[in-house]
Amino acid sequence: DAKTTQPPSMDCAEGRAANLPCNHSTISGNEYVYWYRQIHSQGPQYIIHGLKNNETNEMASLIITEDRKSSTLILPHATLRDTAVYYCITFRTGTASKLTFGTGTRLQVTL
Amino acid sequence: EAQVTQNPRYLITVTGKKLTVTCSQNMNHEYMSWYRQDPGLGLRQIYYSMNVEVTDKGDVPEGYKVSRKEKRNFPLILESPSPNQTSLYFCASSGRMNTEAFFGQGTRLTVV
Repeated sequence: DAKTTQPPSMDCAEGRAANLPCNHSTISGNEYVYWYRQIHSQGPQYIIHGLKNNETNEMASLIITEDRKSSTLILPHATLRDTAVYYCITFRTGTASKLTFGTGTRLQVTL
Repeated sequence: EAQVTQNPRYLITVTGKKLTVTCSQNMNHEYMSWYRQDPGLGLRQIYYSMNVEVTDKGDVPEGYKVSRKEKRNFPLILESPSPNQTSLYFCASSGRMNTEAFFGQGTRLTVV
């Protein structure tokens, strides 16, 4: 699975959009981009995933560049409860379940 | 409600005393795995299982054992715990196509 690079930390004001970038320049054609987050020391929580097209669900939007070398997770209206560490992961579905977590981005949402 | 349940949530034990951390999922998932999380090292996979009676080593399997006798359960066994196994442990499960992995709430283990 491709290595991902994320900024170590970001701040966002409550109510504003939080845009979290991820670089995955070595991603292969059959690898998906997944995002998880971990609040305090709870178990990681799945947010969204995509292959080529942009995706949106009730939690977030995922924008993947045309060359698939980078992506951005967008939390449209961040709240204090979105303060967490966000992990970007690439993964080939249908293979053994091995998610390789990097150090992620610590998002701090402030008033 | 779909969930992965780990027990216990907190455990303090002494070096060398065998222990088992249980993990159970109610989603009929094929894949289950164990991770440990340590400061500065992120989440690292210990063992994984692709189905009943099928298990394999992850990145840090030394000092751990697992078994998968039933689809829903995947216990983590520490035959002779040592202080370097003090960590936060997570169990996870996912379906065959790995659309998303569900994680348990974690077990904080301290070995003294």
